[in-house]
Amino acid sequence: DVQLVESGGGLVQPGRSLRLSCAASGFTFEDYAMHWVRQAPGKGLEWVSGISFNGGSRGYADSVKGRFTISRDNTEKSLYLQMNSLRAEDTAFYYCVKDVVTGYRGNWYYFDSWGQGVLVTVSS
Amino acid sequence: EIVLTQSPGTLSLSPGERATLSCRASQSINSSYLAWYQQKPGQAPRLFIYGASSRATGIPDRFSGSGSGTDFTLTISRLEPEDFAVFYCQQYGSSPLTFGGGTNVEIK
Repeated sequence: DVQLVESGGGLVQPGRSLRLSCAASGFTFEDYAMHWVRQAPGKGLEWVSGISFNGGSRGYADSVKGRFTISRDNTEKSLYLQMNSLRAEDTAFYYCVKDVVTGYRGNWYYFDSWGQGVLVTVSS
Repeated sequence: EIVLTQSPGTLSLSPGERATLSCRASQSINSSYLAWYQQKPGQAPRLFIYGASSRATGIPDRFSGSGSGTDFTLTISRLEPEDFAVFYCQQYGSSPLTFGGGTNVEIK
């Protein structure tokens, strides 16, 4: 079974940084694109960022471009999200999600597996 | 960016009734690249439909998706107690990936 386990969330002050991690198992990690999707408490879903199978293509939502960086380590079967200059509106549950394709050239598809999510709260 | 508008926001129905959820796109979606997810309180979303009409693994056949271009529909033929949840549509025809605002299917 596919397992995606996020970690690294918590309470952080505005303007500070946080790094999320996602440990993957149960599938051939290096064959698939991976993403971060977030959900503010009580709100809808928002795609944040995606990375292709080999890290060669990355994409970001306009709301986080220039502040967040997605990366992956295929030897460790891990996905990361470095979040800098955090704002109150970044407060959300962050889900690590698996795409169904490689994401070659940034062609993202849909998500067949989701982690349970990790809460990031940005507040002073 | 393709904006997805879901309607209604809330659908109040009884078990056994038929549910029809709409997802309308601000521009045509290439190749019917539209997915639907179900989310229950306190849980992560779960893939239900992809390619506008293909059911994901383990999804019962009372769920069906249809549509093309800018208008898509998720139909639940007869609601079971476990079907009451929030449903989101998502397009993957162009970047950035976008989601609709969701339809809450609640027990009447």
